[in-house]
Amino acid sequence: KAGVTQTPRYLIKTRGQQVTLSCSPISGHRSVSWYQQTPGQGLQFLFEYFSETQRNKGNFPGRFSGRQFSNSRSEMNVSTLELGDSALYLCASSLAVSPNSPLHFGNGTRLTVT
Amino acid sequence: KNQVEQSPQSLIILEGKNCTLQCNYTVSPFSNLRWYKQDTGRGPVSLTIMTFSENTKSNGRYTATLDADTKQSSLHITASQLSDSASYICVVSPRDNYGQNFVFGPGTRLSVLP
Repeated sequence: KAGVTQTPRYLIKTRGQQVTLSCSPISGHRSVSWYQQTPGQGLQFLFEYFSETQRNKGNFPGRFSGRQFSNSRSEMNVSTLELGDSALYLCASSLAVSPNSPLHFGNGTRLTVT
Repeated sequence: KNQVEQSPQSLIILEGKNCTLQCNYTVSPFSNLRWYKQDTGRGPVSLTIMTFSENTKSNGRYTATLDADTKQSSLHITASQLSDSASYICVVSPRDNYGQNFVFGPGTRLSVLP
């Protein structure tokens, strides 16, 4: 069974630009969540989608947005990039049938903003 | 405020030795506590998931314990291997969490030397 796939693995963008990251969950998983990981803040929850609906949202500005398609694939968009947006962005999928459902992470997209 | 703290921040041990990582949390009530292993440049991989009613959970050489009264958890690694070199992250899921907005610890960086 294929794992969670994130593309691209690396991205370099300039301040002010916008970026779109993609995540393909494990087959059959309907929940996709996104996280930002930085050396200073660690892992922080961005948002979660379940059956194409945003179910939860973390404490990030509106420049961070996402969506989920009918096949459960998800995209995350960051507009007007800032230097502080440089981070590893991780996507995770889950069956989400209970609060104890395991979470499966992809290997992330490393975003560098210059 | 829901928080998860981990100690030590980093740890160096020799191959074959045992070690114990600590996690203290203030999340209450909570559904489950998870331990993840994250290799450099990769996404986290689940080691154990314990519900609030469980005291211990093992996964091969990894054994996690949970004391819900003192709000402490530990991860014990037996007979360490070079491949155990990684960051270990403690994650707590609030009881009212129907999504994936977990509370993450900052991680413990473990280095196993030959």
